[in-house]
Amino acid sequence: DAGVIQSPRHEVTEMGQEVTLRCKPISGHNSLFWYRQTMMRGLELLIYFNNNVPIDDSGMPEDRFSAKMPNASFSTLKIQPSEPRDSAVYFCASSLYLRDTEAFFGQGTRLTVV
Amino acid sequence: AQTVTQSQPEMSVQEAETVTLSCTYDTSESDYYLFWYKQPPSRQMILVIRQEAYKQQNATENRFSVNFQKAAKSFSLKISDSQLGDAAMYFCAYRRSRGAQKLVFGQGTRLTINP
Repeated sequence: DAGVIQSPRHEVTEMGQEVTLRCKPISGHNSLFWYRQTMMRGLELLIYFNNNVPIDDSGMPEDRFSAKMPNASFSTLKIQPSEPRDSAVYFCASSLYLRDTEAFFGQGTRLTVV
Repeated sequence: AQTVTQSQPEMSVQEAETVTLSCTYDTSESDYYLFWYKQPPSRQMILVIRQEAYKQQNATENRFSVNFQKAAKSFSLKISDSQLGDAAMYFCAYRRSRGAQKLVFGQGTRLTINP
């Protein structure tokens, strides 16, 4: 398996533009997580899905952020409009919703909003 | 809410020596998982070792071992025979065993290996 695949690896955009980050989880995994990593706040969970259904989106910072999982093999995180403070590394991770499992992370998307 | 604290922002060790990274956590749960993740400059999050709270035996993976003290809510990582490739950020993380499988991370410790 190729692991969790995120795209793009790097994104530079201007303030006010829409940004879409993409994630393909490991085949067969039914839990998907979006994390954000910043120097100030460290790694924090934004949202997670079980069986394509959003379970907890309490970490989504504000209405400018939205996430979807239209099927078991694809998820998006969208920021509209983007702001400089959204600059961060965004990770997607997937796992099996079972007791004894670990989460596998993608390589992250480094987002820079100028 | 669960919290994870890593009190050492930075650590350094001589190559081939042993180093211990500290982690404490707070939870009211009795059953949970604890993890150490490594993040090298490539940014990839790599699972180093995992500990189930219901197991008294400390987990070991080759040169990596943990000291799990459940009553003290302490979970330290020991790296033996440090190698240059061990240089990275190390994150301690907590996860409940039931329900939400989200990870709660500590702030990380940057480990430098001196040749």
